[in-house]
Amino acid sequence: EAQVTQNPRYLITVTGKKLTVTCSQNMNHEYMSWYRQDPGLGLRQIYYSMNVEVTDKGDVPEGYKVSRKEKRNFPLILESPSPNQTSLYFCASSFSGGAGNTIYFGEGSWLTVV
Amino acid sequence: EDQVTQSPEALRLQEGESSSLNCSYTVSGLRGLFWYRQDPGKGPEFLFTLYSAGEEKEKERLKATLTKKESFLHITAPKPEDSATYLCAVRTNNAGNMLTFGGGTRLMVKP
Repeated sequence: EAQVTQNPRYLITVTGKKLTVTCSQNMNHEYMSWYRQDPGLGLRQIYYSMNVEVTDKGDVPEGYKVSRKEKRNFPLILESPSPNQTSLYFCASSFSGGAGNTIYFGEGSWLTVV
Repeated sequence: EDQVTQSPEALRLQEGESSSLNCSYTVSGLRGLFWYRQDPGKGPEFLFTLYSAGEEKEKERLKATLTKKESFLHITAPKPEDSATYLCAVRTNNAGNMLTFGGGTRLMVKP
């Protein structure tokens, strides 16, 4: 079954404590990205990756890091989380090239920073 | 800057009462318009892609249409299980593979 898998699904952490949200896809997709979803602001892209070792900033990259060392994995790193990073995070993937390639989303990771 | 606006923000329908959701966009070089369904606490689920004005796609009770300025998601004889938030997104020449999302329409269908 085609899947984008995120972990953890739910996390409460404290300000400044580094955390990583993992994302893995089993569809051999080149393109992967991270979004955050906030009430009233909709879904906004944080970072994306067109392929292994190729990453770039989205609309709201401040406070986040990513890496793409393998095609299937695209972890999101919060080096020093702050309360304004409390949000619902989604990982997404698709084949690259072609405007119509469907983007598939994971189930989401609820992150609360206190 | 690409902009996507969805209306209404929320829509309450009786079961069987057909209606339409609107997605208007201002973009530079549309490469595709996408409709997603999102259930509470879940990731967006792909519904349709539309590429050019005049195009239509259908799936069960849903039909998506596209003009040069907006897209409509028509819901015919909705059922309670159609209750969800419907998201519209565009992919443009400005933004590579990134999707720019609208704020969504929260649909509630009462039995």
